[in-house]
Amino acid sequence: GESVGLHLPTLSVQEGDNSIINCAYSNSASDYFIWYKQESGKGPQFIIDIRSNMDKRQGQRVTVLLNKTVKHLSLQIAATQPGDSAVYFCAENIGGNNRLAFGKGNQVVVIP
Amino acid sequence: EPEVTQTPSHQVTQMGQEVILRCVPISNHLYFYWYRQILGQKVEFLVSFYNNEISEKSEIFDDQFSVERPDGSNFTLKIRSTKLEDSAMYFCASGAGRGLDQPQHFGDGTRLSIL
Repeated sequence: GESVGLHLPTLSVQEGDNSIINCAYSNSASDYFIWYKQESGKGPQFIIDIRSNMDKRQGQRVTVLLNKTVKHLSLQIAATQPGDSAVYFCAENIGGNNRLAFGKGNQVVVIP
Repeated sequence: EPEVTQTPSHQVTQMGQEVILRCVPISNHLYFYWYRQILGQKVEFLVSFYNNEISEKSEIFDDQFSVERPDGSNFTLKIRSTKLEDSAMYFCASGAGRGLDQPQHFGDGTRLSIL
C-alpha cells in the first residue's frame, strides 16, 4: 500500500553544522505534510508544515522543501544545536478527516 | 503555550482487564485523535473524533476500543479487554480545524504495559 518512509535511519551531525533529513512519500493525493520532532519520553512535537501547492517553507532555523515530481520531502535544520537531537518524523495528511500517516522516523544525533 | 495533557504517564494492566486512557486537549480545539506507537515502530492512527462522534477509524480500532468525550474538557480511550499486543505508547492529539494549516498537537503519551 502507499506509505510515507524515511531514507536514513540515523544522522550524526557536528554542532553548528546544517542537517538535512529526507522523506519519500508515495501517495500522490496527499495535500499536506508535517514534520514532527520526538524527544525521548515525549510526544511528537510540531515543527513545520507545508501544503502540496508550495515548494518551500521556512521557519525559525528550519526549512521544508517539497518536490512533488519525485515525491520527496526534506527538512533542513540550520546551525544544529544539541537540543535538536531527537527522532524526526514526516507525516502526510490523508483524507478529509486529517488522518496522519507517519514515516518510521530518522534519529538525529548532534555531536558537541 | 497551551498543550495536550495525558494521564497516566504509565499504566500497567493485567491482560483481559479494561483500561481507560485520559486526555485533556487544547481548550479551543475541536478535532481529537488517538494514535499509538509500538516500541520501535512508527506512530499509527487509531481514530479521529469531532462533534461527539467518530469521524474515521483505522483497522486497528476494533470493537475492543471506544472513545468518549464525557465532558467539555476530557477525551478518553477505553480498551475493554486488553491483550498483550495492546502494549504501546498511546498519544492523544488535537487540532483547531480540519483543513490545511491546522496541524495536530500531541500529548506526551501514556505508556500502556499489558502483563
